[in-house]
Amino acid sequence: GAGVSQTPSNKVTEKGKYVELRCDPISGHTALYWYRQSLGQGPEFLIYFQGTGAADDSGLPNDRFFAVRPEGSVSTLKIQRTERGDSAVYLCASSPATGPYEQYFGPGTRLTVT
Amino acid sequence: AQTVTQSQPEMSVQEAETVTLSCTYDTSESNYYLFWYKQPPSRQMILVIRQEAYKQQNATENRFSVNFQKAAKSFSLKISDSQLGDTAMYFCASGLQGGSEKLVFGKGTKLTVNP
Repeated sequence: GAGVSQTPSNKVTEKGKYVELRCDPISGHTALYWYRQSLGQGPEFLIYFQGTGAADDSGLPNDRFFAVRPEGSVSTLKIQRTERGDSAVYLCASSPATGPYEQYFGPGTRLTVT
Repeated sequence: AQTVTQSQPEMSVQEAETVTLSCTYDTSESNYYLFWYKQPPSRQMILVIRQEAYKQQNATENRFSVNFQKAAKSFSLKISDSQLGDTAMYFCASGLQGGSEKLVFGKGTKLTVNP
């Protein structure tokens, strides 16, 4: 079956612009996670969805970051008024249930803010 | 709060030899899981091996095995018969059972397998 997909694979935007990053999880996976990976670092947790609701958004760095999962499948990470410090790879992962079970990762979106 | 520390930024090994990657962690919880993930240049994180903290037996997956020392909070990964395809970043991670299910990752170890 298809794995986790993320679009776009690369995104270049200017400082101050708004961006949306999309994640399509594995079909049937109820749990979805967003992580941010800066250069030379491990992924850092941003937000976790169980179904449609955000069960834990403690990793979102500030109120410029927001994520939704309206139908319990596809999720969109939204970043307002982007800053150069937002440049990173944004990884999405999904899991069939809570556990923690294995999280299946997508290939990520590389965001560059100029 | 959970923390994961990988003290080896880079390592190299000759093809067919054995290498061990180190990881220490800290948590005040009793129910947790530990993972090793591999990240090749394609960026896709791939699970290598997972260990439940309540299990005393060390997990093994083919050429990959762990040395889980719960009292010392150590979780090292041993790769036997290293192959060129093992070249990648390796991340150690921990996750709590019954919590938000998020994973906390270390900074990673870059492993190069030389022919």
